[in-house]
Amino acid sequence: AQSVSQHNHHVILSEAASLELGCNYSYGGTVNLFWYVQYPGQHLQLLLKYFSGDPLVKGIKGFEAEFIKSKFSFNLRKPSVQWSDTAEYFCAVNALGGGYQKVTFGTGTKLQVIP
Amino acid sequence: EAQVTQNPRYLITVTGKKLTVTCSQNMNHEYMSWYRQDPGLGLRQIYYSMNVEVTDKGDVPEGYKVSRKEKRNFPLILESPSPNQTSLYFCASRVWGGGTTDTQYFGPGTRLTVL
Repeated sequence: AQSVSQHNHHVILSEAASLELGCNYSYGGTVNLFWYVQYPGQHLQLLLKYFSGDPLVKGIKGFEAEFIKSKFSFNLRKPSVQWSDTAEYFCAVNALGGGYQKVTFGTGTKLQVIP
Repeated sequence: EAQVTQNPRYLITVTGKKLTVTCSQNMNHEYMSWYRQDPGLGLRQIYYSMNVEVTDKGDVPEGYKVSRKEKRNFPLILESPSPNQTSLYFCASRVWGGGTTDTQYFGPGTRLTVL
């Protein structure tokens, strides 16, 4: 069964600092990978997704993520964070081959950006 | 506007009193699912449905029921709620079959408190 690990539970950064949030998954086959963001009091929104091709994926709001297959990782990055990026970020994996039924989420990383 | 709606948004109830949380989507998606979100545990899938009259258990189905009589609706039923079902619940819909269009759309959430 697939699983997802987000090792950073709570990250505090100052505005303009660079961000990298870790995401590792366990599944030996082909995967689709996602990052979602949840702003306070809101539902989840898709930031970016990887299916195939270029392992460096660009999403909305200046976020990007890099899929490194050998490391089973899909880390999220942003060169310069803003106060409005304060939110909770979830990595998710859809393991292919077993059908498209299930998307497994990580436990989330809370990002707090200090002005 | 493409959206997933849930009702009610907030609900406080007592142990054992049956309740239903409704979910509806207007995107003609085949796949719908229910998640619960708890602090430190991320999102965990309760049930999913791949089409009308086709449902299956997710990771944490105990204490919940679902039905899918129409494509657009996927209600979550708690026959006898207990305090450990106090949580934030999200409904989501998704295009079945994966591929590059694979994206889940989340509803606004239902915050349930069981006393």
